[in-house]
Amino acid sequence: GAVVSQHPSRVICKSGTSVKIECRSLDFQATTMFWYRQFPKQSLMLMATSNEGSKATYEQGVEKDKFLINHASLTLSTLTVTSAHPEDSSFYICSARDPGRGYGYTFGSGTRLTVV
Amino acid sequence: AQKVTQAQTEISVVEKEDVTLDCVYETRDTTYYLFWYKQPPSGELVFLIRRNSFDEQNEISGRYSWNFQKSTSSFNFTITASQVVDSAVYFCALSEAQGGGADGLTFGKGTHLIIQP
Repeated sequence: GAVVSQHPSRVICKSGTSVKIECRSLDFQATTMFWYRQFPKQSLMLMATSNEGSKATYEQGVEKDKFLINHASLTLSTLTVTSAHPEDSSFYICSARDPGRGYGYTFGSGTRLTVV
Repeated sequence: AQKVTQAQTEISVVEKEDVTLDCVYETRDTTYYLFWYKQPPSGELVFLIRRNSFDEQNEISGRYSWNFQKSTSSFNFTITASQVVDSAVYFCALSEAQGGGADGLTFGKGTHLIIQP
């Protein structure tokens, strides 16, 4: 079945630094990928939609200059949290649509970011 | 705008009991997709089911069953003869399809299911 690999699974960074999270579709080409954020004991909130070769579409309230999304190839999307602050600590999870599965969404295993 | 409501924040039952998780949704689209995901403590989302708005047939998969009723905008999930391994947070989600493509998912707040031995 469709597999999405997300890396790293956990990362701790210092306040003010940037962190890059990678999301790869391993056995299919993902023209569209989604990035979600989940705070502890809360739901998943869609942050942005990235389309291969074009700019990402951000949800209302999400700072595009802080959360940089790049979808340069059909198998890789990256989320960079720039100038991270402790309030950015969260669980970030990506998802890709597999055209071969209709509207099936495949999720990565998530990245737990802790900013100290 | 779309919305998914899971009114049950937490449910605790004893093993082998049946349990139903409620999900009510709102959307203006006539074409949409409904999902259920399981999230164990590891955080990974486990896909359980996807249903499109034109298919109101109920579905059964082992101990799991789903009841989709457009008239009440509900998509409830029942676990029969619950087991401790069913303990997790369960999310109901909605995706609207615009112009032939589906958007990202709108999730409910989740129901934390605790199965006691």
